[in-house]
Amino acid sequence: QKEVEQNSGPLSVPEGAIASLNCTYSDRVSQSFFWYRQYSGKSPELIMSIYSNGDKEDGRFTAQLNKASQYVSLLIRDSQPSDSATYLCAVNRRSSASKIIFGSGTRLSIRP
Amino acid sequence: GAVVSQHPSWVICKSGTSVKIECRSLDFQATTMFWYRQFPKQSLMLMATSNEGSKATYEQGVEKDKFLINHASLTLSTLTVTSAHPEDSSFYICSASSGGATSGQYFGPGTRLTVL
Repeated sequence: QKEVEQNSGPLSVPEGAIASLNCTYSDRVSQSFFWYRQYSGKSPELIMSIYSNGDKEDGRFTAQLNKASQYVSLLIRDSQPSDSATYLCAVNRRSSASKIIFGSGTRLSIRP
Repeated sequence: GAVVSQHPSWVICKSGTSVKIECRSLDFQATTMFWYRQFPKQSLMLMATSNEGSKATYEQGVEKDKFLINHASLTLSTLTVTSAHPEDSSFYICSASSGGATSGQYFGPGTRLTVL
């Protein structure tokens, strides 16, 4: 079992709709969860972090965390073509506080 | 805030030569820096973790004598690919963290290495 699992996609969403990206993790004591966006040929960019159960909103982005289910998600409202990218879920590793484990990413495509 | 730079952004070299890549945190002190490699259409692969003033910790399967890492200060880490070969051609990305479980990692823009 991978430590951080994501559906590789591609996930195709019409412009203006809500894109929902999901991630599960295996280490129960993980404390910090991150979402990164990576455009093709570019390096990842941190877009959201979440540490407590529940929702965290930032503009069009909402991160959701459920530690009991070991599940974290990212919702993108009013999806734009510029949101088309690969989204990486990342979780901190218990053994080294600042070292985080990345999922393999979900490719999101917003169709006009 | 949280800006990380990398230099060079791309490099082409001949097989057998060594290439040095610099990673700098510009507006924060990075207690830990990470080096990743990413092949086309594949996910990030962590190569090593470096802490300022100490030896880097390499991931399994990464040759420490081939990929030399130096973390000389809280704002600078370097990766040297020694005796580069065509199979080392990849996108090398560094990231920096100010430390702690709640700190995310901030990535540099990456260095595209092509070995002829």
